[in-house]
Amino acid sequence: AQKITQTQPGMFVQEKEAVTLDCTYDTSDPSYGLFWYKQPSSGEMIFLIYQGSYDQQNATEGRYSLNFQKARKSANLVISASQLGDSAMYFCAMRAINTGNQFYFGTGTSLTVIP
Amino acid sequence: SQTIHQWPATLVQPVGSPLSLECTVEGTSNPNLYWYRQAAGRGLQLLFYSVGIGQISSEVPQNLSASRPQDRQFILSSKKLLLSDSDFYLCAWSGGQATGELFFGEGSRLTVL
Repeated sequence: AQKITQTQPGMFVQEKEAVTLDCTYDTSDPSYGLFWYKQPSSGEMIFLIYQGSYDQQNATEGRYSLNFQKARKSANLVISASQLGDSAMYFCAMRAINTGNQFYFGTGTSLTVIP
Repeated sequence: SQTIHQWPATLVQPVGSPLSLECTVEGTSNPNLYWYRQAAGRGLQLLFYSVGIGQISSEVPQNLSASRPQDRQFILSSKKLLLSDSDFYLCAWSGGQATGELFFGEGSRLTVL
């Protein structure tokens, strides 16, 4: 069974500082993809970054980077130089080949950026 | 470019009334389509997904059903709403991208009174 765990219900970070949001996953499938989404108070889900299980390097997208540690089955999101607009819910998700086209989401982390 | 729209954005319905939430995707063909449900402050629960017209897979037993009458149209329905159906519903699609990420609609907030 596929499982995504986010152990931080809420996080606070000072503006302009970096913050790491934790995500661990469990799958027996050797081929999978890991995703992070941002959900502001408006409710829309915004795709941030993707990491493939066979990717050798950690993914980066602007201020977002994914700290992928395959042996530990973790895929932490790092947001650098936090901005007030980063305050939102953040969800980690996984899709594995064996589950077809199904995406599994974690319970999310609420990030608050303090001015 | 591809876009996804779902409506209505907000819906207030009495218990026992029917429901129809609609989702359409533009700019792509044969997308995989999904309906998710989200309780306030919680994660996403997959309700239904579809890989083609008339092909619907259900993840959990619900008072809800889904249909895909056209390639890029996905509908979430109920014949009789319950109070417990109140939640935020999200439609999403994937397919065609190398990374295969999900793209979400704007969401529909359903309140059953």
